[in-house]
Amino acid sequence: NAGVTQTPKFRVLKTGQSMTLLCAQDMNHEYMYWYRQDPGMGLRLIHYSVGEGTTAKGEVPDGYNVSRLKKQNFLLGLESAAPSQTSVYFCASEAGVGGLNNEQFFGPGTRLTVL
Amino acid sequence: AQKITQTQPGMFVQEKEAVTLDCTYDTSDQSYGLFWYKQPSSGEMIFLIYQGSYDEQNATEGRYSLNFQKARKSANLVISASQLGDSAMYFCAMRELYNTDKLIFGTGTRLQVFP
Repeated sequence: NAGVTQTPKFRVLKTGQSMTLLCAQDMNHEYMYWYRQDPGMGLRLIHYSVGEGTTAKGEVPDGYNVSRLKKQNFLLGLESAAPSQTSVYFCASEAGVGGLNNEQFFGPGTRLTVL
Repeated sequence: AQKITQTQPGMFVQEKEAVTLDCTYDTSDQSYGLFWYKQPSSGEMIFLIYQGSYDEQNATEGRYSLNFQKARKSANLVISASQLGDSAMYFCAMRELYNTDKLIFGTGTRLQVFP
């Protein structure tokens, strides 16, 4: 039981390049999330999904796209990377079904640098 | 308006002493949940403790307890008998009933435990 995994762990991009971050979970969770973490700003929600085939915007969605074609996977895409997207990206999942006390389980993070 | 406020960017505590990390929140919901997560230097996010707005008792999990003061809208984390391994970033988060899809995080407090 691997929990939540993210690939890659590190990546360096040049401005304008594109890339996809992959998140996978093996807990059969309904909800999945992508956050970015920047110094002094905590975790900010980029996009999230409440089920296979659904996605929704979070707090900071601009410059990112997501897809949830399979329940266990949640992909985060950067079409044209910018230095402002240099950050640590975390994926998380939770069981869902609207529970207030649902814990989110986090992946190990991806450190992305855009030059 | 910021929903979760953690006013202490950094805290120091001596080993074996207790420490309180502050968290205040803002919501108009009567039903909500409050979470604390730990992020050690290795980067992963670790769930520590949960408090529901209608819970009559303060939540406790081992050395962690939550000092929940509903009227003040505060949910402070108390770590008793600090250990060197408690050195980490600590994040307070909230989920509101009308918006159960999302967790809202504070900016975090960095705790350093010294011998």
